[in-house]
Amino acid sequence: GENVEQHPSTLSVQEGDSAVIKCTYSDSASNYFPWYKQELGKGPQLIIDIRSNVGEKKDQRIAVTLNKTAKHFSLHITETQPEDSAVYFCAPTLKIIQGAQKLVFGQGTRLTINP
Amino acid sequence: KAGVTQTPRYLIKTRGQQVTLSCSPISGHRSVSWYQQTPGQGLQFLFEYFSETQRNKGNFPGRFSGRQFSNSRSEMNVSTLELGDSALYLCASSLMDDTEAFFGQGTRLTVV
Repeated sequence: GENVEQHPSTLSVQEGDSAVIKCTYSDSASNYFPWYKQELGKGPQLIIDIRSNVGEKKDQRIAVTLNKTAKHFSLHITETQPEDSAVYFCAPTLKIIQGAQKLVFGQGTRLTINP
Repeated sequence: KAGVTQTPRYLIKTRGQQVTLSCSPISGHRSVSWYQQTPGQGLQFLFEYFSETQRNKGNFPGRFSGRQFSNSRSEMNVSTLELGDSALYLCASSLMDDTEAFFGQGTRLTVV
C-alpha cells in the first residue's frame, strides 16, 4: 500500500511570508496529487491538485510542484494571511476510471500564521 | 448546489452500543467514501461505495459496516462500540472515479 510522509508536522510563519509543505509517497503508480485544507470544525477541503503529466500548477497564492522521479510533491503558499492557518493534508492517489475512490492521507501539517 | 451533508453532527454513545451515521452526497455523485479521523491515527479510509456496491474496504474490524442506497445516500454502522471508536467520521462524494472528492463536515462520535 501507499506510504505517505508529510513534513513538517507543524509550521509557524509570519504573516506575509511564504510556507512550504512537502509530501513524500512510495507508490510510483500514483497519478493524482491533491492538497486539502482542514479548518477547525470542518471537513477537509480541496485547495489545489495536480495530475502526473504536469510538473507545476498555480492558483493565485497557492502552488503545487511535483517531482515524480523523486516521488514527492510540495504545497507552496505565498503572502500568507491569518486565514491560511489550518491543517493541511496531502493525499497522493491512483485515480482510474472504474477504480475505487480511496485517498491515503499524510499525517497533516498544522500551519500557524503569526500576525 | 448543496454540499455533502452528514447527520448527526455530534453523537454520544455508551460502550457496547451500536450507532448509525448518515451521509447525503452532492446531487449526481455516485461514489461515497467514509473516513475516520483521530488525533493519533490521522485520516484513515474505511470503505467506498459506488452504485450500491462496496468497491474497497480499509483495514478496520468487521464491527464497521456500511451500505449505499439507490439514491446514493450512504450509511455507516458501528456495532459494539469501544472507547477507541471515538473519532470524527467523514464522508466524501465524487462525481466520477477520476475526479475530486468533496467532504462533509463530519459526525463527531464520542464513546463513553
